[in-house]
Amino acid sequence: DAGVIQSPRHEVTEMGQEVTLRCKPISGHNSLFWYRQTMMRGLELLIYFNNNVPIDDSGMPEDRFSAKMPNASFSTLKIQPSEPRDSAVYFCASSLLGGDTQYFGPGTRLTVL
Amino acid sequence: GNSVTQMEGPVTLSEEAFLTINCTYTATGYPSLFWYVQYPGEGLQLLLKATKADDKGSNKGFEATYRKETTSFHLEKGSVQVSDSAVYFCALSDQSGNQFYFGTGTSLTVIP
Repeated sequence: DAGVIQSPRHEVTEMGQEVTLRCKPISGHNSLFWYRQTMMRGLELLIYFNNNVPIDDSGMPEDRFSAKMPNASFSTLKIQPSEPRDSAVYFCASSLLGGDTQYFGPGTRLTVL
Repeated sequence: GNSVTQMEGPVTLSEEAFLTINCTYTATGYPSLFWYVQYPGEGLQLLLKATKADDKGSNKGFEATYRKETTSFHLEKGSVQVSDSAVYFCALSDQSGNQFYFGTGTSLTVIP
């Protein structure tokens, strides 16, 4: 079975540019989570969706960040404009609604110069 | 509120040594408890879990027992291998299953 798929795996961009990260959850899963991992802050939950609806976005750092889930098999996390402090590894995870196990994708390593 | 506190690293052990990584939690109700492992350059993988008090989760020689009386879920392995070098995260999910709380991670390096 395919796991959570993220693209791109690596992204290098310049400050001020728009960045879009993509995630395909495991088929049949109806909860989706976006995390950010840095050395300084560890693993932070940014936002999560249930049945494509954003439930809690309190972890989104600022208005430059936005996330969408237009259907059950696709989600995006967008940063516009990007800044060097956004450099991190961004993980997407999915689970069954109310299920107690999250399955993580391989992550996107973002570097903003 | 809910939270997880785990032992700070890094931890360096020789091959075949005994491993313990401490994890304690604060939670309302009856959370599920997890250990996730992150190998270099990869995402987090579920290592083991326990869903109720006194349950023992086990996988790949690792074990952890859900201790409600001490609010702990310590990870143990009797004999570590070089391939166990990774970062280990303790986590809990609340009763709804919607909210996950991760510890800060403990880096383990096993030397031959």
